[in-house]
Amino acid sequence: DAGVTQSPTHLIKTRGQHVTLRCSPISGHKSVSWYQQVLGQGPQFIFQYYEKEERGRGNFPDRFSARQFPNYSSELNVNALLLGDSALYLCASSLMPESFYNEQFFGPGTRLTVL
Amino acid sequence: KQEVTQIPAALSVPEGENLVLNCSFTDSAIYNLQWFRQDPGKGLTSLLLIQSSQREQTSGRLNASLDKSSGRSTLYIAASQPGDSATYLCAATNYGGSQGNLIFGKGTKLSVKP
Repeated sequence: DAGVTQSPTHLIKTRGQHVTLRCSPISGHKSVSWYQQVLGQGPQFIFQYYEKEERGRGNFPDRFSARQFPNYSSELNVNALLLGDSALYLCASSLMPESFYNEQFFGPGTRLTVL
Repeated sequence: KQEVTQIPAALSVPEGENLVLNCSFTDSAIYNLQWFRQDPGKGLTSLLLIQSSQREQTSGRLNASLDKSSGRSTLYIAASQPGDSATYLCAATNYGGSQGNLIFGKGTKLSVKP
């Protein structure tokens, strides 16, 4: 079984541009979460989607948005990019949120560099 | 608001040594606690998940414990190997709020010297 996949692997953008990151969860998993990890820090929660509905949102500006598709894959969109958005963006999937068994499995991440 | 702290930030040990990584959290109302490994520039690999009703979990040379009353978890690595060199992150999943999301510590960077 394939694990969580993310695309693209690396991305270079300039300030003010828009970016779309993609994630495919493990087969059978219906919950997808997005995290931002800046260098030297632990990942920070951005969004969680379950059954195509937003179930949680971290402390990020409205420039960040996401959606989940009927096949449970997900997109993270960031508008009006800032230098501070440079980070590793991680996607995680799990069977469902709110569960003692909510083990989350992470993809390899997308490295975004904003110049 | 849940805060997760990991001490030390970095640790260097000789090969073969047993070691303990520490994780503390401020809010004991957690679903579970998960330990991850991260190699440089890579994603996270799940090592162990301890449910809130459990005291410990074991996988191979790894043993993780959870003490909710004191807000602490430890990851014990037996007979360390150079291949264990990586950053180890712990993360708690809380009841309430944005349920299901992980709250991470900053990690402990482990270096095992041959």
